[in-house]
Amino acid sequence: DGGITQSPKYLFRKEGQNVTLSCEQNLNHDAMYWYRQDPGQGLRLIYYSQIVNDFQKGDIAEGYSVSREKKESFPLTVTSAQKNPTAFYLCASSDSEANYGYTFGSGTRLTVV
Amino acid sequence: GNSVTQMEGPVTLSEEAFLTINCTYTATGYPSLFWYVQYPGEGLQLLLKATKADDKGSNKGFEATYRKETTSFHLEKGSVQVSDSAVYFCALRGGAAGNKLTFGGGTRVLVKP
Repeated sequence: DGGITQSPKYLFRKEGQNVTLSCEQNLNHDAMYWYRQDPGQGLRLIYYSQIVNDFQKGDIAEGYSVSREKKESFPLTVTSAQKNPTAFYLCASSDSEANYGYTFGSGTRLTVV
Repeated sequence: GNSVTQMEGPVTLSEEAFLTINCTYTATGYPSLFWYVQYPGEGLQLLLKATKADDKGSNKGFEATYRKETTSFHLEKGSVQVSDSAVYFCALRGGAAGNKLTFGGGTRVLVKP
């Protein structure tokens, strides 16, 4: 079955460390997205990529970095510059047709310890 | 640009009650409209969609009708169950403002036995 896989499900980071969240899809989707969700809050777009080797900042890109070297993969690095990284991170993918929505992964919960 | 406004929660109701979650949107052109559901600790799942005016999307007893004249896409279910407790997101994609998905802020629904 096609889908989108995020790993790990839970991640703990010490202050000052960089951590990388994995997102892989086998849906042959061109576009991929990273969102941040804080408790009881909506979704905020961090970065998105519409094609391999290209990506754009979303609304809250500071302190995060991404790469898109393969169509299937869109890893997110949370750097030490991100002052408050504890949150739930969601990855999504989509094709170019507006009639279709996004497919989401099951999320990674990042906690700074 | 596009925007989505949905009623704030939490919405608390008893099992077998009628549920309505209001959603209105601002967009130029003819966007597609979506409802997503997020169960605790999980990613978002597409619940239903409608791609043109007067279309009705339905799934798992939930329904929503694309009303262009009132720019609305209200979600309804006739008899909720405890398992419907979740956060519901209204979203739109397409129209003149581009192909990214625009989300509302989410509405938390709690169904008590």
